Amino acid sequence: DQQVKQNSPSLSVQEGRISILNCDYTNSMFDYFLWYKKYPAEGPTFLISISSIKDKNEDGRFTVFLNKSAKHLSLHIVPSQPGDSAVYFCAARRNSYGGSQGNLIFGKGTKLSVKP
Amino acid sequence: DVKVTQSSRYLVKRTGEKVFLECVQDMDHENMFWYRQDPGLGLRLIYFSYDVKMKEKGDIPEGYSVSREKKERFSLILESASTNQTSMYLCASSSEGSGNTIYFGEGSWLTVV
Repeated sequence: DQQVKQNSPSLSVQEGRISILNCDYTNSMFDYFLWYKKYPAEGPTFLISISSIKDKNEDGRFTVFLNKSAKHLSLHIVPSQPGDSAVYFCAARRNSYGGSQGNLIFGKGTKLSVKP
Repeated sequence: DVKVTQSSRYLVKRTGEKVFLECVQDMDHENMFWYRQDPGLGLRLIYFSYDVKMKEKGDIPEGYSVSREKKERFSLILESASTNQTSMYLCASSSEGSGNTIYFGEGSWLTVV
């Protein structure tokens, strides 16, 4: 039972255009959402996050949108650059899981390829 | 910068061997985690710990155990390695003050033959 779903395993975008990565979730108790970026043979690195009380958070070229009624979030990268090519994981926080903050459920990831 | 260090990047072990994966973080984080990453399955939580000597099962704890004797160190143990435990293992840490962000190590590639 997947609680965090990234339905597109891959996405290809031209350099300079917008990349939109999507994520759906099923558990309305999630209170925090994060995006991580992962290069091959490296650990994931934190990219951007959003609290469930907000609908948008922006950091430079990266913007995350949250639609709580649809249980959907998206990551927009604009303009896309070749260095953005990586696997992007959506994650949601389980705020009451074992009493520990920061315990996350991850989606399966979307591989983004930005072509020059 | 937060540093999460995993002692071994690449390991090859035989079926039935006992395997230790070590992880150390240098930011005095309370919480530490072990995930595994497999193609098409994303990141799955094996075990986590929110304090010294405390441990909680994650989503896929079977075949694994953990040890947290010191705050900075969290070890993952495969008591008897099997081929289906061939994977990339990721250690992570977080604190109540790190704003929900967890920080990952570089990963350990384990191959069980």
